[in-house]
Amino acid sequence: NAGVTQTPKFRVLKTGQSMTLLCAQDMNHEYMYWYRQDPGMGLRLIHYSVGEGTTAKGEVPDGYNVSRLKKQNFLLGLESAAPSQTSVYFCASSYLRENTEAFFGQGTRLTVV
Amino acid sequence: TQLLEQSPQFLSIQEGENLTVYCNSSSVFSSLQWYRQEPGEGPVLLVTVVTGGEVKKLKRLTFQFGDARKDSSLHITAAQPGDTGLYLCAPISNSNSGYALNFGKGTSLLVTP
Repeated sequence: NAGVTQTPKFRVLKTGQSMTLLCAQDMNHEYMYWYRQDPGMGLRLIHYSVGEGTTAKGEVPDGYNVSRLKKQNFLLGLESAAPSQTSVYFCASSYLRENTEAFFGQGTRLTVV
Repeated sequence: TQLLEQSPQFLSIQEGENLTVYCNSSSVFSSLQWYRQEPGEGPVLLVTVVTGGEVKKLKRLTFQFGDARKDSSLHITAAQPGDTGLYLCAPISNSNSGYALNFGKGTSLLVTP
């Protein structure tokens, strides 16, 4: 049972390039989340999804887009990467009920130069 | 936007000492979760507290949810090097877009032998 898998684990981008981060979960979870983690800032919610075909903005959505075409996958896109988007990105998933545990991936370390 | 503060931001103690970390907010929450994150890993759920005044114990860790459900504390007795990590609180809030899991900035704990 793989749980939550993030691809890729590391990436270096040049300013202005685009890329997509993939999150896949095999637990049949309805909820999926994308966070970024910067030193001293904890985890900040970028976007989240409560089900296939639905997405919602979190605390820091600017510069990112997401899609949830399949229940098991949640994609995070950067259309034109900026150095300010250098961060560690975490994906998480959970069942559709309050107080349930969120399961996290191992993270993607992204550097924009 | 809810104001969520965790304190202290950093804590370095020796093995065997006791410590308490805090999670405070200006908002009332329906429930709150505590997660621990080890270096290079995603956060892992420790506990969920739901009722005002609730106290939960997990071995040497004691979690309390404030009576007014606006704050929470985590007390560790006789800390061990294995307790080292980033402790994150995550109040659960409900919106029209579903449940958004937002995290505080965390308390970084270092326990030295």
